[in-house]
Amino acid sequence: AQTVTQSQPEMSVQEAETVTLSCTYDTSESNYYLFWYKQPPSRQMILVIRQEAYKQQNATENRFSVNFQKAAKSFSLKISDSQLGDTAMYFCAFMKLGAGSYQLTFGKGTKLSVIP
Amino acid sequence: DTGVSQNPRHKITKRGQNVTFRCDPISEHNRLYWYRQTLGQGPEFLTYFQNEAQLEKSRLLSDRFSAERPKGSFSTLEIQRTEQGDSAMYLCASSLLAQGPDTQYFGPGTRLTVL
Repeated sequence: AQTVTQSQPEMSVQEAETVTLSCTYDTSESNYYLFWYKQPPSRQMILVIRQEAYKQQNATENRFSVNFQKAAKSFSLKISDSQLGDTAMYFCAFMKLGAGSYQLTFGKGTKLSVIP
Repeated sequence: DTGVSQNPRHKITKRGQNVTFRCDPISEHNRLYWYRQTLGQGPEFLTYFQNEAQLEKSRLLSDRFSAERPKGSFSTLEIQRTEQGDSAMYLCASSLLAQGPDTQYFGPGTRLTVL
């Protein structure tokens, strides 16, 4: 079974600053994807970024980038130039590949507050 | 808006009653997932459908829970004889198998409160 750990229950950042959210995972699988999802207050969960484990290059999406350390089983999210709209719960998630449902295993989340 | 929709958004019920939730996935998405999210936790997988076939169920899905996707489009999740421990947000997500290991798109959820 896979586990995902987010060790920072809450974080805050000043608007326009950079913040890094941590995520570690435990798996014996070699073929998997990792995701960061954002859940704004009272709104639905949306995908921020995803990383294929076989790719060494870290994924980037505009102001969002990841630091994927496969050997260390670490997958952190960096948000640059933080904006008020980035205030949300952020969930790290793991997806095992191969036969099966491709279900997501989530961490407990990090509540990020962007301060004006 | 052609995203995933869920109804109702909120449901308050008394212990012992049955409830049913509906999920309408993104059109032509052939995979549909149900997750449950309790306060302070990340979502937990309950079950998933590929087209109309229910192919996997979590052990979290007790025999009081049943899910269907009769025509491979919308899905329903029914909870019989609700218990206070069933209070949670029930999330639906859909994805398109043709895109390979797939990005799941989530609906807004149905928040269930069992009194």
